[in-house]
Amino acid sequence: SQTIHQWPATLVQPVGSPLSLECTVEGTSNPNLYWYRQAAGRGLQLLFYSVGIGQISSEVPQNLSASRPQDRQFILSSKKLLLSDSGFYLCALERDRGRGAQYFGPGTRLTVL
Amino acid sequence: AQKVTQAQTEISVVEKEDVTLDCVYETRDTTYYLFWYKQPPSGELVFLIRRNSFDEQNEISGRYSWNFQKSTSSFNFTITASQVVDSAVYFCALSGSSNTGKLIFGQGTTLQVKP
Repeated sequence: SQTIHQWPATLVQPVGSPLSLECTVEGTSNPNLYWYRQAAGRGLQLLFYSVGIGQISSEVPQNLSASRPQDRQFILSSKKLLLSDSGFYLCALERDRGRGAQYFGPGTRLTVL
Repeated sequence: AQKVTQAQTEISVVEKEDVTLDCVYETRDTTYYLFWYKQPPSGELVFLIRRNSFDEQNEISGRYSWNFQKSTSSFNFTITASQVVDSAVYFCALSGSSNTGKLIFGQGTTLQVKP
């Protein structure tokens, strides 16, 4: 079975600082991977998805970026954080390509001050 | 455009009561998938069920049951004999064939089950 790891679990960063969140998966190869953000009290918003190494699609224009340097690694980054970047970031792995059924990691709670 | 609406923001019930969480969706895709996820206080989303658009059979899993009706574009979720451990935020989601696997989530329903 697949396992999704995310770190750090929590992060407090000042405005304008850089960001790097990491997601790694085990138990599968060549998965579709996704980054979602959940703002406080709101639903989930898809930020990026990747169908393979080096292949990134962005859903929402913003100051965030994503990279997939290895098959089982998905990284979310920012050069300069904004207050509005605060939220709960979830990495997801899709089983059965194109049919959803995404499985989520434990998440990273980011607070930008 | 695809959209999922969960009109109930918060629901509070007493333990052992039955509760139904509503989900209404919009899509132009003929092939699509519907999902329910549970988000306990820990934050991690737990996958509960996936149904495809060609299978309207209702499904039961223990105390959980799902009612999929294409005629009303609804995919409702019922918990029978609720328990305190059912307290969580529940999300309904949609993935259409035009979305290549991307999930569109509703805003979620917070369920509080009181002892």
